[in-house]
This record gives sequence, C-alpha cells and structure tokens, in this order.
Amino acid sequence: QVQLQESGPGLVKPSETLSLTCTVSGGSINYYYWSWIRQSAGKGLEWIGRVYTSGSTNYNPSLKSRVTMSVDTSKNQLSLKLTSVTAADTAVYFCGREDSRGWNGMDVWGQGTTVTVSS
Amino acid sequence: DIQMTQSPSSLSASVGDRVTITCRASQSISSYLIWYQQKPGKAPKLLMYVAYTLQSGVPSRFSGSGSGTDFTLTISSLQPEDFATYYCQQSYSTPWTFGQGTKVEIK
Repeated sequence: QVQLQESGPGLVKPSETLSLTCTVSGGSINYYYWSWIRQSAGKGLEWIGRVYTSGSTNYNPSLKSRVTMSVDTSKNQLSLKLTSVTAADTAVYFCGREDSRGWNGMDVWGQGTTVTVSS
Repeated sequence: DIQMTQSPSSLSASVGDRVTITCRASQSISSYLIWYQQKPGKAPKLLMYVAYTLQSGVPSRFSGSGSGTDFTLTISSLQPEDFATYYCQQSYSTPWTFGQGTKVEIK
C-alpha cells in the first residue's frame, strides 16, 4: 500500500527557508494531487497547497508569496519550500494524497514532521 | 476563504452512546464536505467525503449528512477506538479549509 514519508530539518532559523521532502513508496506518484498541510496548536490544520503530477500548483493565498511546491516523478518525491520563516511557521508538516478529481479528501497521509523555527 | 465552524469543540461520551458533531460552512459548499479522525501524535485519517460517502474500511457506525452549509457526522454507537478529534474540511473551493476540531473524550 502507498506510504508517504516527510523528511527535512527539524529546526530552521528565522528568515531562512524551510525545505521538506515527501517520499512516496508502494505506489505511483502519477495522476494524483499531492498536498502539504500543517498543524500548529494556535491555528489547527492549515492547507498550504498542492501540486499535481504534471507540476501544476494551487497555493493557499495566505502563504502564496513564500511557497514553492514541486514534484519529481523520477524519484517519487514531492518538495515544499517556504521562505522567510518566522516562529508562526512552527508546526507539524504533513504531506497527503488526493485523487485526480481533487475534491474527495486526502486518503493517504505521511506521519508528519515537526519543524521548529528558532534561532 | 470559506470558514468552517464545528460544534461542540469537545464532548464527553460513553461507549455505546450516539454522538453527533456539527460542521457549518460560511457559504454553500454543496456536498463538498470531508470528515477526518485524528488520534494524538498521528496524521488525520479520512473517514468520509462528499458529505456522506464512507471511505473504504471505515466502519458503518460512522455516517454523514447535510448539504449547503450545515453538515453532521454521527457515530451510532461509540467504540473505545473512536475517542479522538474529528475535523471537517471543505473541498468546494481552494484554499481547502478545516474546522477547528471536535475532541471526543471518555465520560
């Protein structure tokens, strides 16, 4: 069965760039939307955006100026970059899969990775 | 953005109880409503989509209803493994947005 695994630094300094990777195993990366979601105590669950396997993206307008998502089908990986981070970006970051219709929810999730923004 | 409001924020219930959680959207979202269950330290788990379609493998004691702006998630007979936090999410228009969650605790 499909499994997702997020990876990346657990600590990022303020003003720097947060970079995470989500590796897809046990299934194809193709013909799905791949979302990034974060969860913090203060703001609950927040959808950051998604990338389709064609490379097309939808970003949350609240983060759009700082977010870049991409997909590498040869490596079965997705990536998230969030620039100019502040303490407000401290959260658990998840990647999740949506089917190609795009509105049926995220049926597979990674376990999440905790990112702390601190000097 | 479409705002999602859940009620109650938390509830206490006993095994075997019928539990209902409400989710309200700030505008009509047709039936584009999703429910997730999350346990501490884990990722959310998809329970239901388009308001009432049960995800494969989810027990039939879970059911959903509603359309437009008002939706409910019902657990017909609460089981020990159902104690968790439940979230709704709209999939009508991006950015996807979530309710604040309803924590179901043991009475």
